[in-house]
Amino acid sequence: EPEVTQTPSHQVTQMGQEVILRCVPISNHLYFYWYRQILGQKVEFLVSFYNNEISEKSEIFDDQFSVERPDGSNFTLKIRSTKLEDSAMYFCASSTIGVEGQGTDTQYFGPGTRLTVL
Amino acid sequence: AQSVTQLGSHVSVSEGALVLLRCNYSSSVPPYLFWYVQYPNQGLQLLLKYTTGATLVKGINGFEAEFKKSETSFHLTKPSAHMSDAAEYFCAVSKGYSSASKIIFGSGTRLSIRP
Repeated sequence: EPEVTQTPSHQVTQMGQEVILRCVPISNHLYFYWYRQILGQKVEFLVSFYNNEISEKSEIFDDQFSVERPDGSNFTLKIRSTKLEDSAMYFCASSTIGVEGQGTDTQYFGPGTRLTVL
Repeated sequence: AQSVTQLGSHVSVSEGALVLLRCNYSSSVPPYLFWYVQYPNQGLQLLLKYTTGATLVKGINGFEAEFKKSETSFHLTKPSAHMSDAAEYFCAVSKGYSSASKIIFGSGTRLSIRP
């Protein structure tokens, strides 16, 4: 069964450093998402991406964050200058085209990248 | 705006007992509703979802949930708990008509199973 993959599984970085989290969505999916989960808290939406553009972003997704689909398979999240509070599990998700009322909007999640900022 | 409230951050049941995890939602538009499960140190796995049609939805691992519009609820049940069901369960909602709609998650309920 196709699945979303993410690398690395765990990333440790120093405060102020740039990190890039990588995701390979399911191959025929066209919508891509990033979510994060701070330890012990709920999963929060960061950004959605379609047709090489951001569709929607949350207030968390400030100028320190950016997303890119550099080729036909990868989807990346970049944090330019990491802060301690960026420490979290970051989940990538993808979905296919949804048809109204027909329930094809399911988002499939990757296993996550645990980011630790020291 | 959409939101999800999960009642009970921790639920403990005996093996073989009924599992009931409660979820209430708020949505200004017809919602899509989901239950996701997260096993320790793993990602989020979709258990089941409600979009339109039949209000009783069956998912994987013997779980099911019923959409009750009048009560704005989407409670998750399983008739007989198994030790392998121990995990964190998240109820979630999205706007069904939008393909790129963000998912709003509840705070999660940790399910423990007693031998």
